[in-house]
Amino acid sequence: GENVEQHPSTLSVQEGDSAVIKCTYSDSASNYFPWYKQELGKRPQLIIDIRSNVGEKKDQRIAVTLNKTAKHFSLHITETQPEDSAVYFCAARFYDKVIFGPGTSLSVIP
Amino acid sequence: EPEVTQTPSHQVTQMGQEVILRCVPISNHLYFYWYRQILGQKVEFLVSFYNNEISEKSEIFDDQFSVERPDGSNFTLKIRSTKLEDSAMYFCASSGGQAVTDTQYFGPGTRLTVL
Repeated sequence: GENVEQHPSTLSVQEGDSAVIKCTYSDSASNYFPWYKQELGKRPQLIIDIRSNVGEKKDQRIAVTLNKTAKHFSLHITETQPEDSAVYFCAARFYDKVIFGPGTSLSVIP
Repeated sequence: EPEVTQTPSHQVTQMGQEVILRCVPISNHLYFYWYRQILGQKVEFLVSFYNNEISEKSEIFDDQFSVERPDGSNFTLKIRSTKLEDSAMYFCASSGGQAVTDTQYFGPGTRLTVL
């Protein structure tokens, strides 16, 4: 069945450093890949998304890259700040179904 | 900015009871979804709904679950006979336009506690 894997499960960085989270997906039919940030007790919030006709997308300190051939995509956060600390989920859309990865708990140490 | 809303924010029920979770999607959206998240775990897809019928469902979404859009604004998830393992946060989401690539907006969630 459809599956999304995500690594690492936890990530700790110093403030100002970069953070990279990587995901792979199983179904080559998927063509939409959102990333969500979830703070404790809150709803997932979309931070960036990428569609399959694009290889890279950037929004200020956040960028996402997609390699459709290898079926993997990555989130890059530069100049991390303490408020970036949260759980980050990648996801992949398979037709009308969105499958989430298991999440990465990011801690930014001041 | 329009938002997805959900009620109640917290529902406590006894095992075996029926519960209905309610959602009001963003008004011009056409696609509706339910997800659940067990505490500390990932977000799991339950079901998607379009044009008054289910378009996709996961293995979790068995005969105990049903969804309905009873009027032009509400979207409900019913669990017929709750089990302890149904305790989780349930999120509703909606998206507009083209289903395959459109952005989903999540509601604040309903925390379901089954005793």
